[in-house]
Amino acid sequence: AQSVTQLGSHVSVSEGALVLLRCNYSSSVPPYLFWYVQYPNQGLQLLLKYTTGATLVKGINGFEAEFKKSETSFHLTKPSAHMSDAAEYFCAVSDLNNNDMRFGAGTRLTVKP
Amino acid sequence: DAMVIQNPRYQVTQFGKPVTLSCSQTLNHNVMYWYQQKSSQAPKLLFHYYDKDFNNEADTPDNFQSRRPNTSFCFLDIRSPGLGDAAMYLCATSGRVGEQFFGPGTRLTVL
Repeated sequence: AQSVTQLGSHVSVSEGALVLLRCNYSSSVPPYLFWYVQYPNQGLQLLLKYTTGATLVKGINGFEAEFKKSETSFHLTKPSAHMSDAAEYFCAVSDLNNNDMRFGAGTRLTVKP
Repeated sequence: DAMVIQNPRYQVTQFGKPVTLSCSQTLNHNVMYWYQQKSSQAPKLLFHYYDKDFNNEADTPDNFQSRRPNTSFCFLDIRSPGLGDAAMYLCATSGRVGEQFFGPGTRLTVL
């Protein structure tokens, strides 16, 4: 069975600082990995995804993530935080063989002025 | 723009009074999902349709039912809402294995 662990339910950074949100996955088959962002009272918006190919994936809003198979990780980064990045971030995993997506518990990002 | 639409965005119902939430999509995706999301938690999959094939999660209460009359529409019926069913309900679609596209959600309040 697949699963995702997000380290840190709450991350706080200063505006302009590096954002690092951690995600580790467990999967018995090659995974598809995703990061979604959720603003209050809204649905989930896809930030980026990894399926195959290049392990460094660039997404919207200046975010990127690197798939590291040896570490079973897919951490999300952004070089410089903006106030508008404050939101809940979910890492998720699925695979080629099924339609199910398993989400991590989420990380709430706070950006301080 | 192709999208996933949920109506209403906010729904208030009374304890035990049946309620239906609706989802439509213009993406022509063959898979549609319903998730329940409680405050500060991850979305929890309730069920999904692969075309007309219904797939129920093992721990989804019988109180929750779903209908998919055609490719574009999917409904979530809560037969007798309890206070514990107050949550955000998210509809999502998928055209191929992996990526899911989410609607804006319906926030359900149970009085």
